[in-house]
Amino acid sequence: GAVVSQHPSRVICKSGTSVKIECRSLDFQATTMFWYRQFPKQSLMLMATSNEGSKATYEQGVEKDKFLINHASLTLSTLTVTSAHPEDSSFYICSASVGGASKNIQYFGAGTRLSVL
Amino acid sequence: AQSVTQPDIHITVSEGASLELRCNYSYGATPYLFWYVQSPGQGLQLLLKYFSGDTLVQGIKGFEAEFKRSQSSFNLRKPSVHWSDAAEYFCAVGAGDDYKLSFGAGTTVTVRA
Repeated sequence: GAVVSQHPSRVICKSGTSVKIECRSLDFQATTMFWYRQFPKQSLMLMATSNEGSKATYEQGVEKDKFLINHASLTLSTLTVTSAHPEDSSFYICSASVGGASKNIQYFGAGTRLSVL
Repeated sequence: AQSVTQPDIHITVSEGASLELRCNYSYGATPYLFWYVQSPGQGLQLLLKYFSGDTLVQGIKGFEAEFKRSQSSFNLRKPSVHWSDAAEYFCAVGAGDDYKLSFGAGTTVTVRA
């Protein structure tokens, strides 16, 4: 149980184009999903918290107009990197949260490697 | 706010030897603690978690961790390492009602034959 699917696993795009990444919880409903960015040999940096049916909450320093997050259902959240540039190249990982306030667990997707040419 | 320190950036261990990865956290109350493992180019897999109760928790793949409140630590151990345990290991702490996790910098484990 608790499987999170992330798609695509790898994407290469031209500078200036937009890229959409999907994150799905396959066997559970997730009221909260998270989006992280990971640079090589570094830890995960939280970009935003996504709650179903409401606007995402972005961490300080993350451009909300650059990284659009939509959480349309309890099993799907999407991250759109708009007008991507080479500096947006990175490994993006989503997680879906299950459990209440005292026993909350995040399950992670396999990640998306974005390369912007 | 909570924070996590993993003092060891890289650990090399022989196959069959024991492994211990250190994790120290900073938080005023009892945190929720996690260990995740990441293989190259992959997402994170949950190894084990601590919420409350027994301070020695068992996880998957033969891993265990012990919560020591007095030392603000949550060290991960495995008695006998397999070559497939080579990966990046992250300790994480959660607290509060926002479900956010703070991750340590990670420890890279290399297993030599």
